[in-house]
Amino acid sequence: AQSVTQLGSHVSVSEGALVLLRCNYSSSVPPYLFWYVQYPNQGLQLLLKYTSAATLVKGINGFEAEFKKSETSFHLTKPSAHMSDAAEYFCAATNFGNEKLTFGTGTRLTIIP
Amino acid sequence: DSGVTQTPKHLITATGQRVTLRCSPRSGDLSVYWYQQSLDQGLQFLIQYYNGEERAKGNILERFSAQQFPDLHSELNLSSLELGDSALYFCASSPSGGGRTDTQYFGPGTRLTVL
Repeated sequence: AQSVTQLGSHVSVSEGALVLLRCNYSSSVPPYLFWYVQYPNQGLQLLLKYTSAATLVKGINGFEAEFKKSETSFHLTKPSAHMSDAAEYFCAATNFGNEKLTFGTGTRLTIIP
Repeated sequence: DSGVTQTPKHLITATGQRVTLRCSPRSGDLSVYWYQQSLDQGLQFLIQYYNGEERAKGNILERFSAQQFPDLHSELNLSSLELGDSALYFCASSPSGGGRTDTQYFGPGTRLTVL
């Protein structure tokens, strides 16, 4: 069974600092991977997705993620945090032929002014 | 705005009751997915419909059922409600039935409170 692990349920960074949110997947077949963001009282918005093309994926709002098969990881980064980045971030995975998204437990990102 | 709409936004009801949550997918999308988000279970996949047919089933209770209508909107029916059913219920839609080019777009959710 596929699983997604997000290390750190809460991450705090200073405004302007690097954002690093960790995601590891467990799958016998390299999955398709996604990062979604959830702002307070809102639905999930797709940040970026990996579908086995380029291993470095660029998304919206300056975020990017790198797929590393050897580490079974798909960490999300942003070079410089902005106050508007404060939200909950979910890593998710799916395999071709198994359309349901398996989500990690989420990481709440706090930006310190 | 993802283009996926869900109604109602909030729902407060009592134990034992039955409710219906409604979802309209993005224009042209054929698949609808239902997810439940709760504090203890996180985000869990419930069920997927593709062009009117059930496509995949997840951790959906027998008290819950769903359907997708010819106009592609979907309804999630929750019956014999329990306190533990209180959660945020999301609907998502995607253009086809899945695969690497398919992305799920989420609606704003329906917050269900069972008292």
